[in-house]
Amino acid sequence: GAVVSQHPSWVICKSGTSVKIECRSLDFQATTMFWYRQFPKQSLMLMATSNEGSKATYEQGVEKDKFLINHASLTLSTLTVTSAHPEDSSFYICSARDARSGNTIYFGEGSWLTVV
Amino acid sequence: AQSVTQLDSQVPVFEEAPVELRCNYSSSVSVYLFWYVQYPNQGLQLLLKYLSGSTLVESINGFEAEFNKSQTSFHLRKPSVHISDTAEYFCAVNSLRGGADGLTFGKGTHLIIQP
Repeated sequence: GAVVSQHPSWVICKSGTSVKIECRSLDFQATTMFWYRQFPKQSLMLMATSNEGSKATYEQGVEKDKFLINHASLTLSTLTVTSAHPEDSSFYICSARDARSGNTIYFGEGSWLTVV
Repeated sequence: AQSVTQLDSQVPVFEEAPVELRCNYSSSVSVYLFWYVQYPNQGLQLLLKYLSGSTLVESINGFEAEFNKSQTSFHLRKPSVHISDTAEYFCAVNSLRGGADGLTFGKGTHLIIQP
C-alpha cells in the first residue's frame, strides 16, 4: 500500500533556531500534501495545503512566514519552522493524497518538535 | 464548510465487549469519510474509509463503519474489543470538491479497554 515517510520523528531545537521536517510519498506521486499540527490531547488542525510547483495555501491563523512549506517535487514536501519558540512545540504530521485510490489520504508517522 | 463531531471524548469498555464510537458530520457537499487510529506515541493510521458504493465498510482488524447519509453519521463499531485496540480514534471528512481540500477531523475518541 501507499506509504508516507516523515523525518525526523523527534527533534529538539533551541529557541530562535529553525528546523526542517520532510514528508515523502514513497510509492506514489502526490501533487497535494497537507501539514497538520496536533497539540496534546487535541485533534489535528490543518495548517496548510502544499501544492507541487506552486505556493502553499495556509489556513487562517497560520503564519506563512513562520511555517515555510516547499513542495519542489511530486514526492517531497518540507515544512520549516523558522525562529522556533517553545509554543511551537507540538506534533507535526503530514499527509499525501493518492489520486490512484480515490484520493485517499495517507499520513506520515509524525514529527515531535520540542523547542527549548 | 464542513465539520465533524465526535460526541464522546473517552469510551471505556471491558475486553471482549462490543463498542460503538460515534461520528457525525456536516457538509454542504458530498464527502469521503474516514476513521483513523492513533496508537500511543505513534502517527495516524487509516482504519477504514467510505468513498462510494456499499455503505458498510470494514477494516482488517474487525472494525466496521456504516455511512448513513440521512443521519449524516459514520459510526465505528466492533463486536468484541481487545486490549490492543486501546488508542485514539479520529473520524474525518474530505469534500469531493476536486480533491483540493485537506481533511477535517473530529476531536477524537479515546478508547480504553479494561481487562
